[in-house]
Amino acid sequence: DAMVIQNPRYQVTQFGKPVTLSCSQTLNHNVMYWYQQKSSQAPKLLFHYYDKDFNNEADTPDNFQSRRPNTSFCFLDIRSPGLGDAAMYLCATSRAGEVTGELFFGEGSRLTVL
Amino acid sequence: ELKVEQNPLFLSMQEGKNYTIYCNYSTTSDRLYWYRQDPGKSLESLFVLLSNGAVKQEGRLMASLDTKARLSTLHITAAVHDLSATYFCAVIQIQGAQKLVFGQGTRLTINP
Repeated sequence: DAMVIQNPRYQVTQFGKPVTLSCSQTLNHNVMYWYQQKSSQAPKLLFHYYDKDFNNEADTPDNFQSRRPNTSFCFLDIRSPGLGDAAMYLCATSRAGEVTGELFFGEGSRLTVL
Repeated sequence: ELKVEQNPLFLSMQEGKNYTIYCNYSTTSDRLYWYRQDPGKSLESLFVLLSNGAVKQEGRLMASLDTKARLSTLHITAAVHDLSATYFCAVIQIQGAQKLVFGQGTRLTINP
């Protein structure tokens, strides 16, 4: 059974039209992450939530926002998508303090910008 | 800031051959992960390495960790076509904000 669920799996939007991607988890993990992965590149961390505390990476554009209304859900909002924002967006979760520190990834949401 | 480097970045090999992918990282860390990614798919966890000298094996893949050398290897034995994928190593940055930092990935192609 999927433990980290991302929706939608595929999203097509127009240049400048806002997009929201969602992530839900059944693991009761307290840390949730959003990664951006462009074609043929490594995943790049955009931001993460440690419980309710939001942690933004220094180089994450202002165009990207996130919300975590409760433990189970996290959203990625792209306010005005540009062609350069086309990518796979990966949500991941972990439990802080766990020995392995392992991240559990969702299936990803692939964003196309026309 | 933690840097993670893999080599080679591209690897084309024949079925039945052995090869090794290397992962170096720049600062102290106590946890290293290997992932597999198929085209258009998410990351699949392969190995979690938690201590110096750790060795884990699954089928034709074996991963090891040398924390003193800040080096991990992923060894492929008698490669088969199904192992064609991109392989990422990733390291937990433990100084400052704890986060997972990825290597560039190694695109492995195994030819029949």
